[in-house]
Amino acid sequence: GENVEQHPSTLSVQEGDSAVIKCTYSDSASNYFPWYKQELGKRPQLIIDIRSNVGEKKDQRIAVTLNKTAKHFSLHITETQPEDSAVYFCAASPGDPNTNAGKSTFGDGTTLTVKP
Amino acid sequence: DTAVSQTPKYLVTQMGNDKSIKCEQNLGHDTMYWYKQDSKKFLKIMFSYNNKELIINETVPNRFSPKSPDKAHLNLHINSLELGDSAVYFCASRRQGSDTQYFGPGTRLTVL
Repeated sequence: GENVEQHPSTLSVQEGDSAVIKCTYSDSASNYFPWYKQELGKRPQLIIDIRSNVGEKKDQRIAVTLNKTAKHFSLHITETQPEDSAVYFCAASPGDPNTNAGKSTFGDGTTLTVKP
Repeated sequence: DTAVSQTPKYLVTQMGNDKSIKCEQNLGHDTMYWYKQDSKKFLKIMFSYNNKELIINETVPNRFSPKSPDKAHLNLHINSLELGDSAVYFCASRRQGSDTQYFGPGTRLTVL
């Protein structure tokens, strides 16, 4: 089955700096890579996702890059703010969402702390 | 914000008891999931149902039994609760043809 490794497990940055979280996956059949943000005591919420036919996707201060050959993808947050502090999860999902179970394998999470 | 709802939000119980957690989604989604998030924040899938049919059953003790009375509901029943069952349980749902999963608010289960 799929195995997703996420690094680092904790990340502390100064407000305004950039933060990068990296994930690797093992199953070459994976083609959908979402990132979730989970604030303390809240539910995980999708913040950005990327498919294997795209190398990069950006949404304001958040970007995701994918290297399918190397089987790794990264989350980039620029101009970090204290409200970016949360646990971030990457995930990998194989196959066609119409036919498969939509099973996402999650990384172990990165606790990001943005210091004001 | 109540697209995927869970009850109860908190559940405190004694070892050995049997308890249920309920999940409902009003998004018209076809697939629903149960995840367990332990104290280290690791998020692991437990079960998935598609149109009331079990399609994912990870290595979960038999004490855990999901039940989907209709495609809008997925309940989780746990027998003979153990200390190690203490965790936050999240329900999620997904529309057929989309990869995006929507999570419920979670149920914090504490077994004493």
